[in-house]
Amino acid sequence: GEDVEQSLFLSVREGDSSVINCTYTDSSSTYLYWYKQEPGAGLQLLTYIFSNMDMKQDQRLTVLLNKKDKHLSLRIADTQTGDSAIYFCAEINNNDMRFGAGTRLTVKP
Amino acid sequence: DSGVTQTPKHLITATGQRVTLRCSPRSGDLSVYWYQQSLDQGLQFLIQYYNGEERAKGNILERFSAQQFPDLHSELNLSSLELGDSALYFCASSVGGGGAVSYEQYFGPGTRLTVT
Repeated sequence: GEDVEQSLFLSVREGDSSVINCTYTDSSSTYLYWYKQEPGAGLQLLTYIFSNMDMKQDQRLTVLLNKKDKHLSLRIADTQTGDSAIYFCAEINNNDMRFGAGTRLTVKP
Repeated sequence: DSGVTQTPKHLITATGQRVTLRCSPRSGDLSVYWYQQSLDQGLQFLIQYYNGEERAKGNILERFSAQQFPDLHSELNLSSLELGDSALYFCASSVGGGGAVSYEQYFGPGTRLTVT
């Protein structure tokens, strides 16, 4: 398809791992990244991955990239209530940025 | 606080009107990006400026225009407003972006535009 796709909702218990999935549109996209948006706020860059990488780890965050399937995932270890937010994946392709619709992560105590 | 400021925070106007949104990038950042976030369209990239020049264009309507001034602040002008233009408009900035849309962008808090 032509859209960056994400599931809309994810609910986890505090302390569990969260995995947010994304399918992007173009295998030639150079950068893929994850943003976090808390209520009433702008987007905060969480992490990014270059298209020639398979995995990137940054503290509690792990990004996995499967170029063949054009699949990107974000794993949050030891999810906390402060992680509750909307998470957007995005790609850069031909100098255009495309965002998914966002996954609303709810963390239950 | 990202260091990117946007004014005003909220704006209510009528259809057919024209508004100007303002953005000040982080100190030292040369690129400014504009985005629209609406329930219908999600988050869309509109346009990028780098050091005063337009660098990349996304889904920006012809009724919309932007510019970046010598002091690097930017303005997004929206004219002939329609109900569907109601959205959150975000500005972001980055140090780089002279050659392409940069991945390391810092977002402002947004301007909420309501068209009645």
